[in-house]
Amino acid sequence: SQQGEEDPQALSIQEGENATMNCSYKTSINNLQWYRQNSGRGLVHLILIRSNEREKHSGRLRVTLDTSKKSSSLLITASRAADTASYFCATDDNTNAGKSTFGDGTTLTVKP
Amino acid sequence: KAGVTQTPRYLIKTRGQQVTLSCSPISGHRSVSWYQQTPGQGLQFLFEYFSETQRNKGNFPGRFSGRQFSNSRSEMNVSTLELGDSALYLCASSPRGTDTGELFFGEGSRLTVL
Repeated sequence: SQQGEEDPQALSIQEGENATMNCSYKTSINNLQWYRQNSGRGLVHLILIRSNEREKHSGRLRVTLDTSKKSSSLLITASRAADTASYFCATDDNTNAGKSTFGDGTTLTVKP
Repeated sequence: KAGVTQTPRYLIKTRGQQVTLSCSPISGHRSVSWYQQTPGQGLQFLFEYFSETQRNKGNFPGRFSGRQFSNSRSEMNVSTLELGDSALYLCASSPRGTDTGELFFGEGSRLTVL
């Protein structure tokens, strides 16, 4: 199965609310990344957090990483209709050079 | 800087045919990786090339192959197509060498096998 598993699979919220997505993984990692994908398009990188970091912010995004629980969360604050997309976590590890392993993704719908 | 360019964007093939997809990475990026995305299996890693060498390969049959040229452009080939090969094939480039980092994705090539 995939290295990363995301939860929830789907999330529907109103504009202005916060959205939280979680990602769990199985092996030791170098870093964890979050990507966004609009329907049928390529993925866009959002944020990278290294294994020695616990929290990172970028604009309305906040990512946390708990390596003891092998989990990460992505928080989008004050969501907008334009945030409607699928969100994926991806992990990189020491043993697989050049390979990022993606989770199953969370589909976020933000209603105006 | 131009982004990652994938061609063709859409294509339709029949079972048994073969297909070649092309990816031009961002200038200066030496790593190119390929992913298959389907509704049932999600994003599955196919392979990654760095400076014309395949560094890693996913769990796909030998019908899936790839290569990278000296200008970092990459191609992937799927022979003897099966219905299950219908998918969005995504290429990503990265400036990373031994370290990992951000992937820059193209818009993908959507393959339909009839």
